Amino acid sequence: DAGVIQSPRHEVTEMGQEVTLRCKLISGHNSLFWYRQTMMRGLELLIYFNNNVPIDDSGMPEDRFSAKMPNASFSTLKIQPSEPRDSAVYFCASTMGLGGQYFGPGTRLLVL
Amino acid sequence: GESVGLHLPTLSVQEGDNSIINCAYSNSASDYFIWYKQESGKGPQFIIDIRSNMDKRQGQRVTVLLNKTVKHLSLQIAATQPGDSAVYFCAENQSGGGADGLTFGKGTHLIIQP
Repeated sequence: DAGVIQSPRHEVTEMGQEVTLRCKLISGHNSLFWYRQTMMRGLELLIYFNNNVPIDDSGMPEDRFSAKMPNASFSTLKIQPSEPRDSAVYFCASTMGLGGQYFGPGTRLLVL
Repeated sequence: GESVGLHLPTLSVQEGDNSIINCAYSNSASDYFIWYKQESGKGPQFIIDIRSNMDKRQGQRVTVLLNKTVKHLSLQIAATQPGDSAVYFCAENQSGGGADGLTFGKGTHLIIQP
């Protein structure tokens, strides 16, 4: 059974460009989480959805970040415009709610 | 705000020995805890979880201990193997399960000496 799928795995872009990260949940899971990992701040929750509804976006750094869940199995995280300080590894995770969250392999973003 | 943190950034153990990784949390309302293993270049991998109504839970070669009195969590790995080398994170939330955002500790790097 496939785990959480993220794309792209690596992204290099220039400051000011739009970046879109994609995530496919594990089949049957109904909660989706976006996290960001940096050396300085560790793993931080950005936003999460339950049954396609955003529940808590207090971790989203600023208005340049937006996330959507257009259907029960897919989500996007968009950064527009991107800045060098957005460089990090972005993970999504999913869960059925009663157990642990299962993480994807991450997208390594470098903004020049 | 309150957060989950780890006592030691690096732990070095001999292959075959037992490893104990510690975690302190500050939020007394936390009631669900998870240990994750993260290998280089990969996402965090779920190891074991425990709810606040328990003080011990065992898995395959791993045991998690929870002491709510002193807000302390530990992960014990028996007979450590080279494949156990990774960064280990504790994480917590207050929902009693996974359907809420997790707060992560900063991680402990476990190094296995041959």
